Amino acid sequence: DTAVSQTPKYLVTQMGNDKSIKCEQNLGHDTMYWYKQDSKKFLKIMFSYNNKELIINETVPNRFSPKSPDKAHLNLHINSLELGDSAVYFCASSREYRDREGGYTFGSGTRLTVV
Amino acid sequence: AQTVTQSQPEMSVQEAETVTLSCTYDTSESDYYLFWYKQPPSRQMILVIRQEAYKQQNATENRFSVNFQKAAKSFSLKISDSQLGDAAMYFCAYRSAYGGATNKLIFGTGTLLAVQP
Repeated sequence: DTAVSQTPKYLVTQMGNDKSIKCEQNLGHDTMYWYKQDSKKFLKIMFSYNNKELIINETVPNRFSPKSPDKAHLNLHINSLELGDSAVYFCASSREYRDREGGYTFGSGTRLTVV
Repeated sequence: AQTVTQSQPEMSVQEAETVTLSCTYDTSESDYYLFWYKQPPSRQMILVIRQEAYKQQNATENRFSVNFQKAAKSFSLKISDSQLGDAAMYFCAYRSAYGGATNKLIFGTGTLLAVQP
């Protein structure tokens, strides 16, 4: 199936741990993103990569480090997890420049709970 | 910077009735896309409908249609013949048509829609 897939779907971990979330898309899109959805359901962009190049970094703490080994993959590594990092993290992809669709395809989200 | 505002945190509709969700946005750009996304309890983000700013005709997808008023910067979603499966959080979103650092979806705060049987 063509899709954006991210793993794991759920992640429960203790404060201070380091964890990673993986994302892969097979849609041939140029750009991939990480979004964070907080407890009030607000969605905000964290990062975007275009063809492995970091394009957007929206004042995210340095503990968050995205890595894009190729344009089909964008992983998110989080160091020294804090309680406030608990949220749902969405990976998404899109074409870069003007196209007829304009929309994003989202993964199913990873619910991160820090205890 | 662009902003998206959804002034209705919660809405309720009877099954088979029609409901309209409001969205306004602010931008100085002339070319952009607008979207409505649905997020059911499964948390999957589902694209409901899209509108390209340079198209004057309002987009329609089956029971979903929009009222796009470019001058007023308004983009409302109308759901006709509401079904129980329409119950979800609905997000209005804006995306610049240009690339680079402007290439991001900017979301409103969402409207939680309940459908009463």
